[in-house]
Amino acid sequence: DAMVIQNPRYQVTQFGKPVTLSCSQTLNHNVMYWYQQKSSQAPKLLFHYYDKDFNNEADTPDNFQSRRPNTSFCFLDIRSPGLGDAAMYLCATSINADRGQNIQYFGAGTRLSVL
Amino acid sequence: DQQVKQNSPSLSVQEGRISILNCDYTNSMFDYFLWYKKYPAEGPTFLISISSIKDKNEDGRFTVFLNKSAKHLSLHIVPSQPGDSAVYFCAASSGTYKYIFGTGTRLKVLA
Repeated sequence: DAMVIQNPRYQVTQFGKPVTLSCSQTLNHNVMYWYQQKSSQAPKLLFHYYDKDFNNEADTPDNFQSRRPNTSFCFLDIRSPGLGDAAMYLCATSINADRGQNIQYFGAGTRLSVL
Repeated sequence: DQQVKQNSPSLSVQEGRISILNCDYTNSMFDYFLWYKKYPAEGPTFLISISSIKDKNEDGRFTVFLNKSAKHLSLHIVPSQPGDSAVYFCAASSGTYKYIFGTGTRLKVLA
């Protein structure tokens, strides 16, 4: 019984063609995160939602946007994918437990290829 | 500038022996640390955590040690089993909802 579900698992898009990755959760967690992970690198936080409040990382390119229509779903939109955006995209959730002591639960990721 | 470093990209250990995975950090404000395990084609799964008020936390075969003065933490797996073969990430937080991750260490436990 998967708790954080990412669809699709593999996504191929063309250079410059908008793409949307989705994440859903059954944990009822109020915080949701999107990470980008490139080969042999650390997962890099792009942004997170605390409830409906969107928090963007300072170095996240404008090309990356996110939507959270309700508690269960969160989307990552890449408006004009470049070759450098090919990566694994990980969604994670956490509950508002003690600040800074929350465990993040990850989905299996979506591997994005840009042709 | 990487604030969380895992300097060993890979580690091989014989089954039954101890595995020691290391993690160094530079930000003295970090006060909570997590270890995650990741199998191929799966997302990272939480393994064990430690708060900066402790220097050791144990959960079964897994023990995490924290040396605040050295800004170093380590994960010990005893005894190592073939099913422990995975990539291990350490992550650190400074009182926020955000974690900084290391680049991971690939552990291979040889039968």
